[in-house]
Order: sequence, then structure tokens, then C-alpha cells
Amino acid sequence: EAEVAQSPRYKITEKSQAVAFWCDPISGHATLYWYRQILGQGPELLVQFQDESVVDDSQLPKDRFSAERLKGVDSTLKIQPAELGDSAMYLCASSFKGEVADTQYFGPGTRLTVL
Amino acid sequence: GQNIDQPTEMTATEGAIVQINCTYQTSGFNGLFWYQQHAGEAPTFLSYNVLDGLEEKGRFSSFLSRSKGYSYLLLKELQMKDSASYLCAALDSNYQLIWGAGTKLIIKP
Repeated sequence: EAEVAQSPRYKITEKSQAVAFWCDPISGHATLYWYRQILGQGPELLVQFQDESVVDDSQLPKDRFSAERLKGVDSTLKIQPAELGDSAMYLCASSFKGEVADTQYFGPGTRLTVL
Repeated sequence: GQNIDQPTEMTATEGAIVQINCTYQTSGFNGLFWYQQHAGEAPTFLSYNVLDGLEEKGRFSSFLSRSKGYSYLLLKELQMKDSASYLCAALDSNYQLIWGAGTKLIIKP
């Protein structure tokens, strides 16, 4: 069964350091999403890609966060510098098209702890 | 504004039935999703409703009333493994998912 892959699963870093997360969506899925989820809350969309283009990054804190999907397949989310408030689960999801009511499938997530 | 409301926490007994409610207010509506999320894990898809009525899938059923902006997830024959958070998410007119905070379901033996 095809799955969304993410790495690392866990990351501990000190504030002001740079961190990067990687995501490989389900093969053939054109749409890729990065979410942040704080414990006890629903996922918050950070950025949405359609192929290699950004569709929505309105909630991405662009002063410290960046995301890319250069070849329209896998994607990297970077935080520089990390702050204490960035501690959360970072989830990657993919869907077939994203233009209609496609189901989003999630990867296992990266649990980030900023000390 | 856009909003999803669902109870924060519910408790039920193994073998029983539980109904988790969700109300939504969105700019346009293109359907409602339910996801299950075990502690420390990623959400997994349970159901999608776009038309009024009940959709049954094994022990889980999902209901939608578009006129009332209301949905529920019904879990039957509860098992301990059903202890998880259940996330309600509505798809708005731009096909963006608006997520609720989730309902933590605790199953007691």
C-alpha cells in the first residue's frame, strides 16, 4: 500500500538553530500539503503545492519558514532560526489533484522539540 | 469566519455505541471529512460525506445534514483500539480543509 514518507520522525534542536524536514508523497499525487499540529488542536495548513507551484502559503511564517518542491515530487520544509513556539508535530499530506474533494493522506509526521 | 465545533473529550464503554457531533460554518461547502488520530500518530481517513444522509462503513458510520451544518460520526461495538482523537474537517468553496480541534475519545473496559 502506497504511503507518504517523512523524515526524520523526531527532531530535537536548540532555539536559533536551523531544522529541515523531508516529505515524499504517494506516487502520482500532484498536491502536497505541510501542516503544523499543536497538541490538542487540529492541523494548521502551512503551505500547499500543486506540482512544483505554491498554491497557498498564507499561513506560513515567511520570516523563518521556507518550503520547496523543486521537481514536483518530494518536498522540504525548513525553519531558520527555530523558536521555542515551533515545537509541534509537522505533518505532510498528499492528494491526487487537490482541485476537487480528494482525500488527503498523511505521513507519520515529524515531532519537533525546540529547547 | 470559518469554524468547526466538536466536543473536546468523550468517554464510552467497550462494546457500547458513541456518537461524536460536529457543527461547521464555512464559506461554501464541498463536503465533510472524518479522520482518526491515535496519540503521537498521523491522522488516517475514515469517511467523506457530501450529500445528506448516513454513510455506513463497518462499525463506523457518518451522517451529514447540509441544511443544519451538522455531521456526526457513529462508532458501534467499541473496542479499546478505538481510543483516539477524531477530527472533523469541512471543505470550503476553495477546496481548503477547515479542521476542528478534534474529540478525544476514551474507551473504558
